[in-house]
Amino acid sequence: QKEVEQDPGPLSVPEGAIVSLNCTYSNSAFQYFMWYRQYSRKGPELLMYTYSSGNKEDGRFTAQVDKSSKYISLFIRDSQPSDSATYLCAMSAQESGGSEKLVFGKGTKLTVNP
Amino acid sequence: DAGVTQSPTHLIKTRGQQVTLRCSPISGHKSVSWYQQVLGQGPQFIFQYYEKEERGRGNFPDRFSARQFPNYSSELNVNALLLGDSALYLCASSLPRGETQYFGPGTRLLVL
Repeated sequence: QKEVEQDPGPLSVPEGAIVSLNCTYSNSAFQYFMWYRQYSRKGPELLMYTYSSGNKEDGRFTAQVDKSSKYISLFIRDSQPSDSATYLCAMSAQESGGSEKLVFGKGTKLTVNP
Repeated sequence: DAGVTQSPTHLIKTRGQQVTLRCSPISGHKSVSWYQQVLGQGPQFIFQYYEKEERGRGNFPDRFSARQFPNYSSELNVNALLLGDSALYLCASSLPRGETQYFGPGTRLLVL
């Protein structure tokens, strides 16, 4: 079992739709949860960062973490064609020696159609 | 403000050659991490450096090495290149106790 599982899609939605992206994980030591957006042939761009369980909202984006279920979600409201990208979930645990390596899902490719 | 910068942007090498990739972190960030992203996969952790010391290493062979300089910039070296080393190599920087890492645009390496 991989540490982080993410459905690679592809996911195609009409403009204005609500998008739900999800990841599950197996390592209960993960405390920090992130969502990155990656446009084709570019580096990942940090979208949302959450510590432990709970919700966090930033504009059209909402991140949710449920540590009891080992499940995280990203919701995009009023999706736009410019949201078309690959969305990567990432998480980390404080390791001995202080390393803060990120463990990523495979990414979900999203297309928002005008 | 300048983000993380990486050079070169693209590189083509042949099997058996050696390659050096470079990264400059965001100003004020003292920690640099390297990741390998193969097409269709999420990034995989290679190394993390803080204050010129290796703080973590992923499951990569000894052909991969890195170092960090006094100005916090970093180099990733890969020896004896294999076809399977073809990937996007990403550098990320963070504050000393920062769990959030900010990525550069990457170096796309093709091994023929």
